[in-house]
Amino acid sequence: SAVISQKPSRDICQRGTSLTIQCQVDSQVTMMFWYRQQPGQSLTLIATANQGSEATYESGFVIDKFPISRPNLTFSTLTVSNMSPEDSSIYLCSVGLGGAETQYFGPGTRLLVL
Amino acid sequence: QKEVEQDPGPLSVPEGAIVSLNCTYSNSAFQYFMWYRQYSRKGPELLMYTYSSGNKEDGRFTAQVDKSSKYISLFIRDSQPSDSATYLCAMSEGGGATNKLIFGTGTLLAVQP
Repeated sequence: SAVISQKPSRDICQRGTSLTIQCQVDSQVTMMFWYRQQPGQSLTLIATANQGSEATYESGFVIDKFPISRPNLTFSTLTVSNMSPEDSSIYLCSVGLGGAETQYFGPGTRLLVL
Repeated sequence: QKEVEQDPGPLSVPEGAIVSLNCTYSNSAFQYFMWYRQYSRKGPELLMYTYSSGNKEDGRFTAQVDKSSKYISLFIRDSQPSDSATYLCAMSEGGGATNKLIFGTGTLLAVQP
């Protein structure tokens, strides 16, 4: 497995502002993923971030709203831009480890937009 | 119709009971099946992973996959209060390390001492 940390763990933000969430892994990984977990709903993939290439976004998610950076093999950021109350959610990063066939998740960032 | 359906519960059982958690799915291309446990205010923790059909056992946990019925199960034997959490099923078409995971909504389990 891997040790994954996220910052901040939680935040309360005003509508119209932006928040950048950081994800740090204790080992080098090729694939990093960003998910959203809204109350009462499934975890939903926002985008896949590979180091050295543009992030790949799922249907319903766009780069202008959720820009992602992946500067190296242990770090990624997700920005939630121009926030509205509908963006209130838990945002989770996950990694796929070589030799494993599944993903390991960070602790999540709990975001409340007022 | 959602790709993955999971009874949200809540499910309340006495300590020591056998718990059965289930998910159904519609996409016959799913090959990799996972169960995660999520404690309140924590990230999902991988419990079990299986490939294709069959059973897998790990301690008190048994995962079953029936691809013909598009049905997966997680059994917890001798349930403990520490098992109280939300259980998420997840699945993917390709290997889960490099492919999108599709999740159920999760089942909230409470094991009463």
